[in-house]
Amino acid sequence: DQQVKQNSPSLSVQEGRISILNCDYTNSMFDYFLWYKKYPAEGPTFLISISSIKDKNEDGRFTVFLNKSAKHLSLHIVPSQPGDSAVYFCAAVNSGTYKYIFGTGTRLKVLA
Amino acid sequence: GAGVSQSPRYKVAKRGQDVALRCDPISGHVSLFWYQQALGQGPEFLTYFQNEAQLDKSGLPSDRFFAERPEGSVSTLKIQRTQQEDSAVYLCASSSNFMGERITDTQYFGPGTRLTVL
Repeated sequence: DQQVKQNSPSLSVQEGRISILNCDYTNSMFDYFLWYKKYPAEGPTFLISISSIKDKNEDGRFTVFLNKSAKHLSLHIVPSQPGDSAVYFCAAVNSGTYKYIFGTGTRLKVLA
Repeated sequence: GAGVSQSPRYKVAKRGQDVALRCDPISGHVSLFWYQQALGQGPEFLTYFQNEAQLDKSGLPSDRFFAERPEGSVSTLKIQRTQQEDSAVYLCASSSNFMGERITDTQYFGPGTRLTVL
């Protein structure tokens, strides 16, 4: 039972354009969400997070949107850069616990 | 500052061998987590330590898997009698939260140990 789903295994975007990565979840107890970026042979690196009391959080080129009614979150990268090419994982957690539940990842390729 | 480090980075074992994977968390971090990441999947929770106490080991796939953190800092994940299905990347993460605190801090991951069982 996949509680966190990233239905797009891969995405290609032209440099300078917007990248939109999507994530859906099923467990309504999740109230904190995170995005991690992973380069080959490295561990996941924290990118940005959002609490369920918000619907948007922005950090530089990265913005995460949360739609609680749809149980959907998205990560927007604007403008996309070749260095953004990596695998992106979304994770969800019930803040009364500590278990991160990860999606299967989306491989982003930004074309120069 | 130093992040989470793991060793070895790569381990090849023959089926039936025992292996030990080490994790050095960020200094002062109370919480330590082990995850298993199979090819093409996201990390999956294995076990959680708060200081030296192992508070949750519900994700360990079998009794061949054992983890310890005797002094509340370095942790070791041991796999006995390795099987081919144990082949994966094993990730360690640490955070400064106590369980029960609102999770506003994040888990910081090490580079992982890629285990290949032949």
